[in-house]
Amino acid sequence: DQQVKQNSPSLSVQEGRISILNCDYTNSMFDYFLWYKKYPAEGPTFLISISSIKDKNEDGRFTVFLNKSAKHLSLHIVPSQPGDSAVYFCAASAGYGQNFVFGPGTRLSVLP
Amino acid sequence: IAGITQAPTSQILAAGRRMTLRCTQDMRHNAMYWYRQDLGLGLRLIHYSNTAGTTGKGEVPDGYSVSRANTDDFPLTLASAVPSQTSVYFCASSLQGAGEQFFGPGTRLTVL
Repeated sequence: DQQVKQNSPSLSVQEGRISILNCDYTNSMFDYFLWYKKYPAEGPTFLISISSIKDKNEDGRFTVFLNKSAKHLSLHIVPSQPGDSAVYFCAASAGYGQNFVFGPGTRLSVLP
Repeated sequence: IAGITQAPTSQILAAGRRMTLRCTQDMRHNAMYWYRQDLGLGLRLIHYSNTAGTTGKGEVPDGYSVSRANTDDFPLTLASAVPSQTSVYFCASSLQGAGEQFFGPGTRLTVL
């Protein structure tokens, strides 16, 4: 059973609009979360992180929200750009020194 | 070398053959990881090493072995390849055993 779920395999958004990518987790011990972005034929690259002591972290057009009680986090991209088209992975860790568990990914397509 | 590199880029291998995937980083990161990426399953951890001289098993270690003789190199060996090991393999590293991981470009392996 997957501990980190990204229930939308794909998402299409118009350029300039908001993209919202969702991630749910089942392990209540997870307290540190990362989002990665992956282009075809490349390795994933780190995008943004959040720890459980916060409920929001913002970096430019990217904002991650964490709802600990719901075991849910989301990545918001505003405004979306065609270059944001990629696969986005959510990853969770149960603390320092613990390995990350990755979700299956969501393929985002930003249409011009 | 800048960052983390993997070799080969791709490989077609007959079942039963032995294969070693190479990974080298020049960032002096303590921790290194091997993942496989399969459609719908995301990135799954095969083996990891928190520091030179130590290794650990991840989520899907069977059929794979690793060694960490020094800080920079973390080879992954398939002793006797099977078709279910057809996948894209990513090596990653991080400064400590937690936090952002830097990924290599991947090795696409096909076992026939």
